[in-house]
Amino acid sequence: EIVLTQSPATLSLSPGERATLSCRASQSVSSYLAWYQQKPGQAPRLLIYDASNRATGIPARFSGSGSGTDFTLTISSLEPEDFAVYYCQQRGTFGQGTKVEIK
Amino acid sequence: QVQLQESGPGLVKPSGTLSLTCAVSGGSISSSNWWSWVRQPPGKGLEWIGEIYHSGSTNYNPSLKSRVTISVDKSKNQFSLKLSSVTAADTAVYYCARLYSMILGFAFDIWGQGTMVTVSS
Repeated sequence: EIVLTQSPATLSLSPGERATLSCRASQSVSSYLAWYQQKPGQAPRLLIYDASNRATGIPARFSGSGSGTDFTLTISSLEPEDFAVYYCQQRGTFGQGTKVEIK
Repeated sequence: QVQLQESGPGLVKPSGTLSLTCAVSGGSISSSNWWSWVRQPPGKGLEWIGEIYHSGSTNYNPSLKSRVTISVDKSKNQFSLKLSSVTAADTAVYYCARLYSMILGFAFDIWGQGTMVTVSS
């Protein structure tokens, strides 16, 4: 069973700053990794699939990279609406989430 | 565009069975996708429960497998979740979602709005 470990648990940043979120898999998942954003009271929203492809309608400030066991979600310049919880996912496994909060 | 809508009781008694249905609109449940259930306890992360293909093939989370049944009703374009012997630990928001086959892997590209289920007497 694959385990996905996200770090950090919480990221405190200001609008305009760059956010770098990590997801590490317990074994290689090739490029089969997705990222989601979830805001309070809402369902998760798909941001990135296949490690580096933006989903439909996702702004270019969101980017994903990595393969094998180490993956990164980068938000190049935080907008006010980007403060949320982010999850990585591989098939039936989710990471525990990273909360991006306003500093 | 495809939309998903969960329905079912918001309150279930301990030791009872939780039953939810997800109605698929704007598309066919017989398309080449897996249809899934994901839950989220209050203040916690996402937990995959299981998935079903329109053929009836299923995969379940090993930690829940003994208590979970997911079924599909193609005539109604919907799929359902049953979780037996529930306890307070099963209190959560339950989401249905479409697991779409991307270029390489799979991702949950469409989600229902979620339904809160509380286990309490």
